[in-house]
Amino acid sequence: GAGVSQSPSNKVTEKGKDVELRCDPISGHTALYWYRQRLGQGLEFLIYFQGNSAPDKSGLPSDRFSAERTGESVSTLTIQRTQQEDSAVYLCASKEGVGAYNEQFFGPGTRLTVL
Amino acid sequence: SQKIEQNSEALNIQEGKTATLTCNYTNYSPAYLQWYRQDPGRGPVFLLLIRENEKEKRKERLKVTFDTTLKQSLFHITASQPADSATYLCALDDGSGNTGKLIFGQGTTLQVKP
Repeated sequence: GAGVSQSPSNKVTEKGKDVELRCDPISGHTALYWYRQRLGQGLEFLIYFQGNSAPDKSGLPSDRFSAERTGESVSTLTIQRTQQEDSAVYLCASKEGVGAYNEQFFGPGTRLTVL
Repeated sequence: SQKIEQNSEALNIQEGKTATLTCNYTNYSPAYLQWYRQDPGRGPVFLLLIRENEKEKRKERLKVTFDTTLKQSLFHITASQPADSATYLCALDDGSGNTGKLIFGQGTTLQVKP
């Protein structure tokens, strides 16, 4: 079946603009994660959704970052008033069920460049 | 704070040899550890999971060990091939409960030369 998809694949924006990144998880996956990956670095956890529970926003770096998810489907990550340090690849992953041991399936990421 | 370290230097080996990558962690006790492979421009792909009560896990040419005393995991690829060239990430649960939240290392790039 289809994997995790993300759009756009690349986004170039000017400092101060808002951007919206989209993630389509694998159908039936109740858990969804957003990560940020700066060049040459590991993945940095941003936010976690599980079903209809309140999201875990503990990784969001500032109040300029927010994310929403409708039920168990599409999620959007919004960055307001973008800064140059926001430039990174933003990765989305989904996971089946609530089991911590289940593997995460990643999308290809959105490469964000803030000029 | 929780910290995960992987060798940031690229590992270059000859085809057919065994590649060994290291993941060290400090300041907490994870319940499990995962290894992922990441190719340029792609998202990570899950390879193996090992739990805290398991010493070793194997999958085809891959072997992972987990030493909770040393706070270290070793990832081995035997009979390496040029197609194994990629960045390998280790990831540990953050210990906050049954959420599956992972903390990732920065990755080690493996280059297998023919």
